[in-house]
Amino acid sequence: DSGVTQTPKHLITATGQRVTLRCSPRSGDLSVYWYQQSLDQGLQFLIQYYNGEERAKGNILERFSAQQFPDLHSELNLSSLELGDSALYFCASSPYGQGYNEQFFGPGTRLTVL
Amino acid sequence: AQSVSQHNHHVILSEAASLELGCNYSYGGTVNLFWYVQYPGQHLQLLLKYFSGDPLVKGIKGFEAEFIKSKFSFNLRKPSVQWSDTAEYFCAVNAAAAGNKLTFGGGTRVLVKP
Repeated sequence: DSGVTQTPKHLITATGQRVTLRCSPRSGDLSVYWYQQSLDQGLQFLIQYYNGEERAKGNILERFSAQQFPDLHSELNLSSLELGDSALYFCASSPYGQGYNEQFFGPGTRLTVL
Repeated sequence: AQSVSQHNHHVILSEAASLELGCNYSYGGTVNLFWYVQYPGQHLQLLLKYFSGDPLVKGIKGFEAEFIKSKFSFNLRKPSVQWSDTAEYFCAVNAAAAGNKLTFGGGTRVLVKP
């Protein structure tokens, strides 16, 4: 158990819908990272928040957004969902803001868009 | 495009065989290198990391990796695998040239036959 929790574990929804994925980092970690893992794209970095502020951005679509709250938990919002958004979404956390620190991964949320 | 490449997508071995997984990256300058493992049904876990110093890095569960700067490589090795090493292995690179984001390779699925 990495100490990072993600909810829900599974999510099934329809095209055009909007969903919210939630991540709670390890106690004391200030950075939260979001990744998308799909069969064709592999593991792709989406976005990083550090202590409530956006720190780095990766291959995140405009239909996706994230935020980190004062209690340091983070939410990833996916809207106007398409079939291709079906994937495993991981959250990771680390104590600091620099990307070279070890990241601790959560169990993931499996999103299925029908 | 700058990237991280894992050349073997699938590897099948028998117990006690030696394992070597290749990882090459294309970033110049300072890099920090990682190998993560994802056991079936579990979250990603750090196996080992290289920041500086001795290019031969020892990690958990008997794994080691060698950083060869001239070859832009960070290959993972284990002299004698066990059935419990069945997992997917990911190489990851954090590079200043990539904005200090963690970039993952495509992963290698390793199946160890008992």
